[in-house]
Amino acid sequence: SQTIHQWPATLVQPVGSPLSLECTVEGTSNPNLYWYRQAAGRGLQLLFYSVGIGQISSEVPQNLSASRPQDRQFILSSKKLLLSDSGFYLCAWSPQGAEAFFGQGTRLTVV
Amino acid sequence: GENVEQHPSTLSVQEGDSAVIKCTYSDSASNYFPWYKQELGKRPQLIIDIRSNVGEKKDQRIAVTLNKTAKHFSLHITETQPEDSAVYFCAASRGDKLIFGTGTRLQVFP
Repeated sequence: SQTIHQWPATLVQPVGSPLSLECTVEGTSNPNLYWYRQAAGRGLQLLFYSVGIGQISSEVPQNLSASRPQDRQFILSSKKLLLSDSGFYLCAWSPQGAEAFFGQGTRLTVV
Repeated sequence: GENVEQHPSTLSVQEGDSAVIKCTYSDSASNYFPWYKQELGKRPQLIIDIRSNVGEKKDQRIAVTLNKTAKHFSLHITETQPEDSAVYFCAASRGDKLIFGTGTRLQVFP
């Protein structure tokens, strides 16, 4: 069966520090991969999606970047965090054109 | 690109009543429409979905309807229970990216 791992669950980082969130998927190949951000009490904003290794599409201009170095690995990064980067970050995977399965999420607080 | 609008943003109902949440989408190429339920502090979980070749789908107390011509789809929950209280999200996909609506906070009062 397929599983998705996302870590860490919570993170407190100072302004200006770097960020690296990792997400891995098991039990499937060539999944679509997504990074979403959810601000407190708000909706799910699509940040990046990837349909294959090295293929990254950015949905909104921002302080973040994403990479897919392996088929089942998706990384969200920042060189210098801003206060506005705080939020609940969710990684997800899906077979093409089907249900998305979410990781447990990372609650990031930038202080 | 795809834009999904969702209404209402909050919905309060009495236990046993029905709840309806509506979404519209902009990309006529979208062909997959899931609905997710998110409880406080947890990840969204799929509750029902529908594809563009179907007009209606039902699973116990939950049903979804799709009008491709008007580009809107709706979630219907009947006989609501307090445990239905959560945030509900609609979404639309054409096979690559999955775009979510802004969410509806449903409160079911005993």
